[in-house]
Amino acid sequence: DSGVTQTPKHLITATGQRVTLRCSPRSGDLSVYWYQQSLDQGLQFLIQYYNGEERAKGNILERFSAQQFPDLHSELNLSSLELGDSALYFCASSVGGQGLYEQYFGPGTRLTVT
Amino acid sequence: TQLLEQSPQFLSIQEGENLTVYCNSSSVFSSLQWYRQEPGEGPVLLVTVVTGGEVKKLKRLTFQFGDARKDVSLHITAAQPGDTGLYLCAGERVDSGGGADGLTFGKGTHLIIQP
Repeated sequence: DSGVTQTPKHLITATGQRVTLRCSPRSGDLSVYWYQQSLDQGLQFLIQYYNGEERAKGNILERFSAQQFPDLHSELNLSSLELGDSALYFCASSVGGQGLYEQYFGPGTRLTVT
Repeated sequence: TQLLEQSPQFLSIQEGENLTVYCNSSSVFSSLQWYRQEPGEGPVLLVTVVTGGEVKKLKRLTFQFGDARKDVSLHITAAQPGDTGLYLCAGERVDSGGGADGLTFGKGTHLIIQP
């Protein structure tokens, strides 16, 4: 158990819909990272938040957005969903926001868009 | 184009055999990491290598960072069925501004150890 929690574990929805994925970091960790894992692309970095502020952006689509709340939990919002958005979405946390800090991954949310 | 190329993609061997998997890039990395991921779970960090030429050992696992910091290998001695999983290399590029790009991952090596 990494100490990072993600809900829900599974999500099935239809194209065009909007969903919200939730992540609670390990106690004491200030950074939250979101990753998308698909069979063809592998694990891709989406976005990072540090202590409530956006720190870095990766391959995140404009239809996706995220935020980190004062209690440090984070939400990833996915809208206008397409079939190709079906993937595993992981959240990771680390104590620091820049430099070499170990990232601890949650169990992931499996999103299926039908 | 994948920034970190892992080989082989799939490897199935018998228990007790040795194996090496590779992770290569044309870019220089300030650090490289190996993760292991089991089905239905998130990746778990095995090791981080920071210094070019560095060798780290973790029980039956040996990790070596290339001198030029563009590649890293993972060698498993006397593989066991419990070693089965997806092995991912990941790195923080030198030009990433101190981790500002997040980790870059390879696509992984699917390893199966047959009893």
